[in-house]
Amino acid sequence: SQQGEEDPQALSIQEGENATMNCSYKTSINNLQWYRQNSGRGLVHLILIRSNEREKHSGRLRVTLDTSKKSSSLLITASRAADTASYFCATADDKIIFGKGTRLHILP
Amino acid sequence: SAVISQKPSRDICQRGTSLTIQCQVDSQVTMMFWYRQQPGQSLTLIATANQGSEATYESGFVIDKFPISRPNLTFSTLTVSNMSPEDSSIYLCSAAAEKLFFGSGTQLSVL
Repeated sequence: SQQGEEDPQALSIQEGENATMNCSYKTSINNLQWYRQNSGRGLVHLILIRSNEREKHSGRLRVTLDTSKKSSSLLITASRAADTASYFCATADDKIIFGKGTRLHILP
Repeated sequence: SAVISQKPSRDICQRGTSLTIQCQVDSQVTMMFWYRQQPGQSLTLIATANQGSEATYESGFVIDKFPISRPNLTFSTLTVSNMSPEDSSIYLCSAAAEKLFFGSGTQLSVL
């Protein structure tokens, strides 16, 4: 079963703009993670935020977590063509469950 | 980090046959998972592969259809049994050291 629900399902923005994706979940978690998947099969771990953290940065990525609202957001600043991919949030307790994903397309 | 080798990378199988997918991790990991991803969809967790005991299956997946072995902390197999075209998908092995590391996947097509 899937727990995370990403919003929007698809997003197209101009190169250089910021992209924001949201994730909502239903149950308690130990941490929440974001992954990227380029066309094909490779899944890459981007960032992990623990349940006692509210914000985390990694390069051009900024993740927030609001456990009271059971939601997280992923912000990609100054987007590049190479950021075109599907992005998934995944919630973790004793197993890791993926949301449906957001397809991000960066327009040149 | 962990490096995961998964094979086969792809296969085309006949209806009614079975395929075993192997997953080798280059280091000992506590948790290993098997996921399925259908075209354009997210990853669906099939089961948690437990070392030394039976796998823990998610709703909708049963051991008779997807038997899983995990003889040690670095290796696991998933068998897709009595295949039908509905089983055509990408199957992904992953290992968890808090975050997940993935194999490159097995693209299965059932005719």
